[in-house]
Amino acid sequence: GESVGLHLPTLSVQEGDNSIINCAYSNSASDYFIWYKQESGKGPQFIIDIRSNMDKRQGQRVTVLLNKTVKHLSLQIAATQPGDSAVYFCAEKENYGQNFVFGPGTRLSVLP
Amino acid sequence: SAVISQKPSRDICQRGTSLTIQCQVDSQVTMMFWYRQQPGQSLTLIATANQGSEATYESGFVIDKFPISRPNLTFSTLTVSNMSPEDSSIYLCSARGLAENTGELFFGEGSRLTVL
Repeated sequence: GESVGLHLPTLSVQEGDNSIINCAYSNSASDYFIWYKQESGKGPQFIIDIRSNMDKRQGQRVTVLLNKTVKHLSLQIAATQPGDSAVYFCAEKENYGQNFVFGPGTRLSVLP
Repeated sequence: SAVISQKPSRDICQRGTSLTIQCQVDSQVTMMFWYRQQPGQSLTLIATANQGSEATYESGFVIDKFPISRPNLTFSTLTVSNMSPEDSSIYLCSARGLAENTGELFFGEGSRLTVL
């Protein structure tokens, strides 16, 4: 079955540095990917998405990169701030599929 | 985007009892889902809530344990039946927008259940 995983379960960065959170997926049929941020006690919050016809997409302080050749997804956060501390999940979905499959999550800690 | 409200936000329950979680979306959506998030873990899909018909359950989840209703396009309930401590989790309602095969998935704030 399809699966989504992460290289690093935890990540600590200094405030102001850039953060890179990685995600591997195994289903080559997946064509839509989302990064979510989940703060303590809250539901997952949409950050940014990307479709398989793109390899890069930028938002405000965030960039998602997609490498379909090696089935790898990454989230880059520029100038990481204390408010970025949270657990980050990648999620993927097949074209015309109904369900998203979520990765195990990476906890990002921003050090002062 | 859609705003999703869940209640209760948290509850402490006794073993053997059942609890129903309600989910209300502020706009019509095509798809509604229920996820479980066990402590410190990722999200696992329980089922897709189908309007006016039986929910579609994922492997490992059954209707007798997690009955789901969706009487209209904006409301759904999940019941956790005959609870045991292993059911202690966050239960998340989610919805996807108008385009059935595209579009981001929105989440409620979750219902945190502790079973004693």
